[in-house]
Amino acid sequence: DGGITQSPKYLFRKEGQNVTLSCEQNLNHDAMYWYRQDPGQGLRLIYYSQIVNDFQKGDIAEGYSVSREKKESFPLTVTSAQKNPTAFYLCASSPGLAGGSDTQYFGPGTRLTVL
Amino acid sequence: GQQLNQSPQSMFIQEGEDVSMNCTSSSIFNTWLWYKQDPGEGPVLLIALYKAGELTSNGRLTAQFGITRKDSFLNISASIPSDVGIYFCAGQVNTDKLIFGTGTRLQVFP
Repeated sequence: DGGITQSPKYLFRKEGQNVTLSCEQNLNHDAMYWYRQDPGQGLRLIYYSQIVNDFQKGDIAEGYSVSREKKESFPLTVTSAQKNPTAFYLCASSPGLAGGSDTQYFGPGTRLTVL
Repeated sequence: GQQLNQSPQSMFIQEGEDVSMNCTSSSIFNTWLWYKQDPGEGPVLLIALYKAGELTSNGRLTAQFGITRKDSFLNISASIPSDVGIYFCAGQVNTDKLIFGTGTRLQVFP
């Protein structure tokens, strides 16, 4: 089955701890994205990557870090510097420029709760 | 960051009714996308629009790319209970960033 997987579905962490959220895709997409969604709000872009070993900050990158060592993987680390980390985190991917389309497809999301 | 103005914010309708929602922007977009999100899940792409004036259907859903390139509309005909969810529009200028609307929460009563 082709698609985007995020794990875990629910994650609980103590305040002050770093936590890494997983995102994997087997769609052979070049571009990957991380969004944050707060209750009753739209999606805000944290980081995105258009190609392996390269990524750019989105609108709310402070307190987050990413890596893109493999085409199919784009993990997001929520650091202790992020002031309000409790949120629903969504990963997305798109074929990218080389694929001729930039329509984004989303994973199922990870709900992070910091206690 | 920039967000699109999406309206209405929420809708409560009876099963069988038609639904209309729209997104407006002060900026021109080259692509408009409409997504639906169920509670606790990721958004699912419904319709993609790539050309000003374009009208595209997907079953009971119809979306239009506004001629000014600054707005888009989504209509759902003959609503059913499984239409319940949050509908998001998204606009794209260049190929690397989507700008999302604030969402329309749809509730369908039998």
